[in-house]
Amino acid sequence: AQTVTQSQPEMSVQEAETVTLSCTYDTSESNYYLFWYKQPPSRQMILVIRQEAYKQQNATENRFSVNFQKAAKSFSLKISDSQLGDTAMYFCAFMGGSQGNLIFGKGTKLSVKP
Amino acid sequence: GAVVSQHPSRVICKSGTSVKIECRSLDFQATTMFWYRQFPKKSLMLMATSNEGSKATYEQGVEKDKFLINHASLTLSTLTVTSAHPEDSSFYICSAQSSRGGSGNEQFFGPGTRLTVL
Repeated sequence: AQTVTQSQPEMSVQEAETVTLSCTYDTSESNYYLFWYKQPPSRQMILVIRQEAYKQQNATENRFSVNFQKAAKSFSLKISDSQLGDTAMYFCAFMGGSQGNLIFGKGTKLSVKP
Repeated sequence: GAVVSQHPSRVICKSGTSVKIECRSLDFQATTMFWYRQFPKKSLMLMATSNEGSKATYEQGVEKDKFLINHASLTLSTLTVTSAHPEDSSFYICSAQSSRGGSGNEQFFGPGTRLTVL
């Protein structure tokens, strides 16, 4: 069975600084997808970034980028130039290539301080 | 595009009654919809996968007779919590996956429904 582990329950960062959230996963599949979702206080789940396992190049979306280490089964999220609006719960998620459902980590609560 | 709505956003009911939650994909067709449950300060736990026109697939430990799921059209799935009890109080979130393409398609999430059972 696939598992997703987020080892940092809470993190804080100063506005404009950079922060990295860690995520590791376990799977025997070779084809899969990884995601980072943001859940602000409104509780609406928002896709931050996604990575296809077959792609070696790390995904980037503006201030958000990932460090995907397939051999180590690691998928960390880097947020650059942190903004107050980045304050939220961040969930790492795995989707197997043969399945459609997402498996979520326990989440990291990020607080951006002014 | 890719908007998913849920109704109601909040519901309070008495113990023993049934509550229906609707999940709609507003601007795309969703072959597959998912229902999640989220406890306070916890992660999302998949309850069931719903495919249009067929029976839902429930995760282990989820009572299918208690949580009735119907996916009658490509834009609507419903979750009915039958004979609700206080322990069913939770935040329920649905997501919808586009009917275009296979796995790996993005899931679009609804805003969630907070259920409180008195």
